[in-house]
Amino acid sequence: EIVLTQSPATLSLSPGERATLSCRASQSVNNYLAWYQQKPGQAPRLLIYDASNRATGIPARFSGSGSGTDFTLTISSLDPEDFAVYYCQQRRNWPLTFGGGTKVEI
Amino acid sequence: EVHLVESGGGLVQPGGSLRLSCAASGLTVSSNYMSWVRQAPGKGPEWVSVLFSDGSTYYGDSVKGRVTISRDNSKNTLYLQMNSLKSEDTAVYYCARHLVVTAIFFNWFDSWGQGTLVTVSS
Repeated sequence: EIVLTQSPATLSLSPGERATLSCRASQSVNNYLAWYQQKPGQAPRLLIYDASNRATGIPARFSGSGSGTDFTLTISSLDPEDFAVYYCQQRRNWPLTFGGGTKVEI
Repeated sequence: EVHLVESGGGLVQPGGSLRLSCAASGLTVSSNYMSWVRQAPGKGPEWVSVLFSDGSTYYGDSVKGRVTISRDNSKNTLYLQMNSLKSEDTAVYYCARHLVVTAIFFNWFDSWGQGTLVTVSS
């Protein structure tokens, strides 16, 4: 199975700052990578799919890039509501797999 | 608006069984790709199983042979029958709809329920 490794585990930033999150795949997933946001007590929310496409209703401050094995989620200017855990997921191969997450904290 | 409501979780002893349900509104379960995704406490999500609109299924290796995904079209409900439960099956179980864009399905999850907690413990 494809293993997704996210870094850093925790990112400590202030509102208004730029956040850069990384996801590395154990083998190429082409551009078949998505990013989700999860807040405590809530289900994950799809942000980005196919590496760089924003899902419906997602603000433009969220952007994704990368291909192959290395991917990045960028939040251009952190809003207070953006402090959460972020997960990546691949769909290149079955089983679908998720990364271990990056917590963005104040 | 899509609304997914899971139920059926609870405390079960190792080796026991549970059937989870996911009642859907705002979408037709049989016309969509639907998955179960679980999340153990403090861990990332883990995909469990998918039921495609044509009725075919896939299972994750950790549950293969112990779980069965199904649907009841008359009730617009998705199910997950879980048998031979182990402590490592303890998690919040979510049902999720696969993203559809211009009638093409993708293996991303754009609608999720609130989850139901399964605890396997003696």
